[in-house]
Amino acid sequence: EIVLTQSPATLSLSPGERATLSCRAGQSISNSLAWYQQKPGQAPRLLIYDASNRAAGIPARFSGSGSGTDFTLTISSLESEDFAVYYCQQCSKWPVTFGGGTKVEIK
Amino acid sequence: EVQMLESGGGLVQTGGSLRLSCAASGFIFSTYAMNWVRQAPGKELEWVSTIFTVDTTLHADSVKGRFTISRDNSKNTLYLQMNGLRAEDTAVYYCAKWLDSRGSIYDHWGQGTLVTVSS
Repeated sequence: EIVLTQSPATLSLSPGERATLSCRAGQSISNSLAWYQQKPGQAPRLLIYDASNRAAGIPARFSGSGSGTDFTLTISSLESEDFAVYYCQQCSKWPVTFGGGTKVEIK
Repeated sequence: EVQMLESGGGLVQTGGSLRLSCAASGFIFSTYAMNWVRQAPGKELEWVSTIFTVDTTLHADSVKGRFTISRDNSKNTLYLQMNGLRAEDTAVYYCAKWLDSRGSIYDHWGQGTLVTVSS
């Protein structure tokens, strides 16, 4: 199965700062990568699919980039509601796999 | 508005069985592949099972032979029959739908139902 490694595990930032989250795949997955946001006690929420397409209703401060094995989720200016855990997920090959998550916390 | 509501979770003994349900509304259920994804306490997400529109199914190796995904399009409901439950199956189980036919992009999720397996 394709292993996804997310870094860092925790990102401590202040509101208004830029967040850069990384996801590395164990083998090439083309652009078959999605990003999800999860807040405590809630279901995940789709942010980005096909590596760079924003899902419906997602603010423009969220952007995704990358292809092959290296991907990045960028939040251009953190809002209070953006502090959460972020997961990447590949849908290139079965089984579908998720990364271990990056927690974005308030500094 | 798309809505999915899971039910059927609870406390069960090791080796026991449970059937989870996911009632869906707000979209044409029969035309979408549907999925179960779980999350053990404090852990990452884990894909469990997928059922396609033609009833072809896939299961993760960790549940193969023990779990069965099914659907009833007349009731807009997804199911997960879980047998031979183990402690490591303890998790919140989410149902999720595909964005479209391009593959496993989960654009809507239910709120989850907690399954606790204990001896």
